[in-house]
Amino acid sequence: ETGVTQSPTHLIKTRGQQVTLRCSSQSGHNTVSWYQQALGQGPQFIFQYYREEENGRGNFPPRFSGLQFPNYSSELNVNALELDDSALYLCASSHKGTGNSYEQYFGPGTRLTVT
Amino acid sequence: ELKVEQNPLFLSMQEGKNYTIYCNYSTTSDRLYWYRQDPGKSLESLFVLLSNGAVKQEGRLMASLDTKARLSTLHITAAVHDLSATYFCAVTPYNQFYFGTGTSLTVIP
Repeated sequence: ETGVTQSPTHLIKTRGQQVTLRCSSQSGHNTVSWYQQALGQGPQFIFQYYREEENGRGNFPPRFSGLQFPNYSSELNVNALELDDSALYLCASSHKGTGNSYEQYFGPGTRLTVT
Repeated sequence: ELKVEQNPLFLSMQEGKNYTIYCNYSTTSDRLYWYRQDPGKSLESLFVLLSNGAVKQEGRLMASLDTKARLSTLHITAAVHDLSATYFCAVTPYNQFYFGTGTSLTVIP
């Protein structure tokens, strides 16, 4: 069983640029959630994808967008980067279905620095 | 506005001592989670508490949940240096995860 993986591990971008972060969910999981964790803070929910559809969104502007693919991997896209977007971006995978589906497993994260 | 508050925010304790971290939340949630995060690393799941009165223990850590008081505790027994990390609680109203502010724990030899 493979765990959750994310790429790249580190990224430096300039204000105004666009960035794409990637996440491969754990085998057998159909749901991916994305979080932004600024330094010294708890993770903030960005959005969740379930079976390729957005299934809930936190308080983030539309320039944060995502995709989920048929193999349940996912992308997080951020347009018009701002300095405050500098953070650790975490994805977490879980399985929605019959029975208990309450656990989610986090990937190692992508550290984004915007200069 | 939903709030998930932890206290203390920072905790420095000596090895061998006991202490409790508190997590208060402002809205109904059918589950409560505790996570551990080491510096620069991702989140590691510690406990999932599913009902009022639930208590779970793993090693020197014990978590409990009081849904009526909207309060969870993470109790540390006889702390050791390896427990130094940041601990987060999280609740799941509206089927989304909301994390607390985090408690940074340092265990001093």
